[in-house]
Amino acid sequence: GESVGLHLPTLSVQEGDNSIINCAYSNSASDYFIWYKQESGKGPQFIIDIRSNMDKRQGQRVTVLLNKTVKHLSLQIAATQPGDSAVYFCAENSNTGKLIFGQGTTLQVKP
Amino acid sequence: DSGVTQTPKHLITATGQRVTLRCSPRSGDLSVYWYQQSLDQGLQFLIQYYNGEERAKGNILERFSAQQFPDLHSELNLSSLELGDSALYFCASSVEAPGQIISGAVWYGYTFGSGTRLTVV
Repeated sequence: GESVGLHLPTLSVQEGDNSIINCAYSNSASDYFIWYKQESGKGPQFIIDIRSNMDKRQGQRVTVLLNKTVKHLSLQIAATQPGDSAVYFCAENSNTGKLIFGQGTTLQVKP
Repeated sequence: DSGVTQTPKHLITATGQRVTLRCSPRSGDLSVYWYQQSLDQGLQFLIQYYNGEERAKGNILERFSAQQFPDLHSELNLSSLELGDSALYFCASSVEAPGQIISGAVWYGYTFGSGTRLTVV
């Protein structure tokens, strides 16, 4: 079946360093991807999205890269801050009417 | 505040009981989605409603049911509760069925509420 998976369950980085969170997806028909951030006790919050006709999209301190050849998605966070500590989910839409979420990666930022 | 309101925030109940979780979508959103998140688990899709009608079903147990009312708020009913039903339940809303053009671009994203934490004891 369709699945979106994250390579690493936990990522620990030093404050100020760049973070890279990876995600693999299995449905080649997926045409839209989103990264969500979930802080403890809160609902997921939209970070950035990308459509399948793009390879890269940049936001404020975040960049999403899409490699359709290997069905891989990554989220890069520049100059990681303590406030970036959270669980990050990738999600895909394949025109089925719902987003499919990955398991999540916990990002821990060390001061 | 995301604009999606979920009540109650916390709920503690005994096994065998029945509870109702409520969700008010963001103003203007017609679709409501329910997700379950267990400890250390990802978001498991339960069910989607669009403008009052069931649109898609996921891994929703027969003991669970949902509906969306004419004012677009939605309720998730969980009955014959078991210990394993303890989880965070999230509601999300979106402007339309997937594919709607927003500001010249197709938008598929959801806006999530802050969730209801259900503890079954």
